[in-house]
Amino acid sequence: AQKITQTQPGMFVQEKEAVTLDCTYDTSDPSYGLFWYKQPSSGEMIFLIYQGSYDQQNATEGRYSLNFQKARKSANLVISASQLGDSAMYFCAMNYGGATNKLIFGTGTLLAVQP
Amino acid sequence: DAGITQSPRYKITETGRQVTLMCHQTWSHSYMFWYRQDLGHGLRLIYYSAAADITDKGEVPDGYVVSRSKTENFPLTLESATRSQTSVYFCASSRTGYLDSNQPQHFGDGTRLSIL
Repeated sequence: AQKITQTQPGMFVQEKEAVTLDCTYDTSDPSYGLFWYKQPSSGEMIFLIYQGSYDQQNATEGRYSLNFQKARKSANLVISASQLGDSAMYFCAMNYGGATNKLIFGTGTLLAVQP
Repeated sequence: DAGITQSPRYKITETGRQVTLMCHQTWSHSYMFWYRQDLGHGLRLIYYSAAADITDKGEVPDGYVVSRSKTENFPLTLESATRSQTSVYFCASSRTGYLDSNQPQHFGDGTRLSIL
């Protein structure tokens, strides 16, 4: 069965510093995708970044990068130069179920950026 | 660009009542999904739909009913609401279902449902 684990319920980071949010996953499927979503206090879910299991390079999107270590089954999100607006809940997710794009989510990490 | 809209945003009802949460998307996406978000569980998939008139169960389907007569709409019905169904409900859509398409799911703003 597929599983996503986020072991950090909450984290603090100083403004302008980098922060890494941990995510490990478990699946027996050879083909899968990993996603990170941001949920600010207003409640909406915002897609940040995607990594495919066959992608050779780590995904990057602006200040977000995904540290993908396939052998360790980890897909950590790195946010560089943290901003106050980065304070939010962050969810790691993985799709499963073949060509249906169903997602399984972790329990989330609440990030607080301090000035 | 309306995207994906959910209604109502907030709903309070009583146990045993029927309640329907609405989801509408303007992108003509094939796939639509319903999730519930609870503390300590993240988001869990309730039902999904690959196209009009095609629906299937997710991880936590008990107590819920869905339909999809039109591509753009995917209502979720609680036929007899229970307190355990108090939650935040998210609708999402994606253009395709293929793993290598880099097609993320796009989410609505959620419906906060309280069952007294």
